[in-house]
Amino acid sequence: DAGVIQSPRHEVTEMGQEVTLRCKPISGHDYLFWYRQTMMRGLELLIYFNNNVPIDDSGMPEDRFSAKMPNASFSTLKIQPSEPRDSAVYFCASSRSSGNTIYFGEGSWLTVV
Amino acid sequence: AQRVTQPEKLLSVFKGAPVELKCNYSYSGSPELFWYVQYSRQRLQLLLRHISRESIKGFTADLNKGETSFHLKKPFAQEEDSAMYYCALRGGSQGNLIFGKGTKLSVKP
Repeated sequence: DAGVIQSPRHEVTEMGQEVTLRCKPISGHDYLFWYRQTMMRGLELLIYFNNNVPIDDSGMPEDRFSAKMPNASFSTLKIQPSEPRDSAVYFCASSRSSGNTIYFGEGSWLTVV
Repeated sequence: AQRVTQPEKLLSVFKGAPVELKCNYSYSGSPELFWYVQYSRQRLQLLLRHISRESIKGFTADLNKGETSFHLKKPFAQEEDSAMYYCALRGGSQGNLIFGKGTKLSVKP
């Protein structure tokens, strides 16, 4: 398996623009996670899904952030409108069940100017 | 509340010296503990988990429930061990991991 696949790897956008990050989990995994990594706050869980259903979105910073999982092989994290403080690395991760190892993608490096 | 604390932001040692990366957790039940490693600008990779009780790349970690700790140890550090190390906790039936803020290990030649 190719692992968790994220796109884009790098994105630079202007403040106010919409940003869409994409994730393809490992086939057969039923949990999908979105994490954000910054120097100041480290790794933060934004939201996670089980069987395509959002389970916990308490980490989503504000209404500008939204995440969807329309099917078992695809998820998006959208920021609209984007702000400079959203600049971070966004990691998608997946696991087969709640008791198993979580595998991370390579991250999407977002810079909002 | 569930919490993972890594008290050291940066740990710098010389090659061949012993390494201990500290991790303490707060959880009322029986947690699963993990160590993840992130090499420069790469994805997080699982290093080890406490239920496996195995040694990976010379690293070991023992869960001490009395002290609520899961420190990561290696007797002889190598330069290639330089990376960010994250301790993480997974509690009960929860699916997600709660991470500590990470410790940057720097191994000098």
